[in-house]
Amino acid sequence: AQTVTQSQPEMSVQEAETVTLSCTYDTSESDYYLFWYKQPPSRQMILVIRQEAYKQQNATENRFSVNFQKAAKSFSLKISDSQLGDAAMYFCAYRSGIDAGNNRKLIWGLGTSLAVNP
Amino acid sequence: NAGVTQTPKFQVLKTGQSMTLQCAQDMNHNSMYWYRQDPGMGLRLIYYSASEGTTDKGEVPNGYNVSRLNKREFSLRLESAAPSQTSVYFCASSSWTGGLAFFGQGTRLTVV
Repeated sequence: AQTVTQSQPEMSVQEAETVTLSCTYDTSESDYYLFWYKQPPSRQMILVIRQEAYKQQNATENRFSVNFQKAAKSFSLKISDSQLGDAAMYFCAYRSGIDAGNNRKLIWGLGTSLAVNP
Repeated sequence: NAGVTQTPKFQVLKTGQSMTLQCAQDMNHNSMYWYRQDPGMGLRLIYYSASEGTTDKGEVPNGYNVSRLNKREFSLRLESAAPSQTSVYFCASSSWTGGLAFFGQGTRLTVV
């Protein structure tokens, strides 16, 4: 079974600096998707970035980028020029690329709480 | 606006009471999910529906039932609420392609 591990329960960063959140996963599949979701105090779950495993190029979305290391099964999130509004819980998630039954579930890490200090 | 609508946002129940959490999506997604979120435990899957007409247990199904009423709606029922079911509940939906999940705004449920 696939697993997702976020080894940093809490992180902090100074405003305008860069922070990297780590995520590792375990799978025997070659085709899958990886996601980073953000959950601010409002509780809403917001997609930050998505990576398809078959794409070698790292996904970027404005100040957010990932370092996807398929062989190492690592999927870290880099936030550049951190802003106060980036303070939130960040969740890493995995989904199989197989579109059938149980494979349509998302597998979640336990989250990393990010504080942004002014 | 398109998205996942989840009701209610807040609910307080007495032990033993029943209630249904409603969820509807208007994105024509095939898959829908119910999660609970507790401090330090991340998101745990209660039930999911991979497609209309099917439902399956997730990690923590005990004490819950679900109904996939149609493609749009997926409800979660607590037949006899217990304090251990105090949590924040999220409904989500996703398409079969790409796996991207969209979430409702959550329901904070307290069982006293």
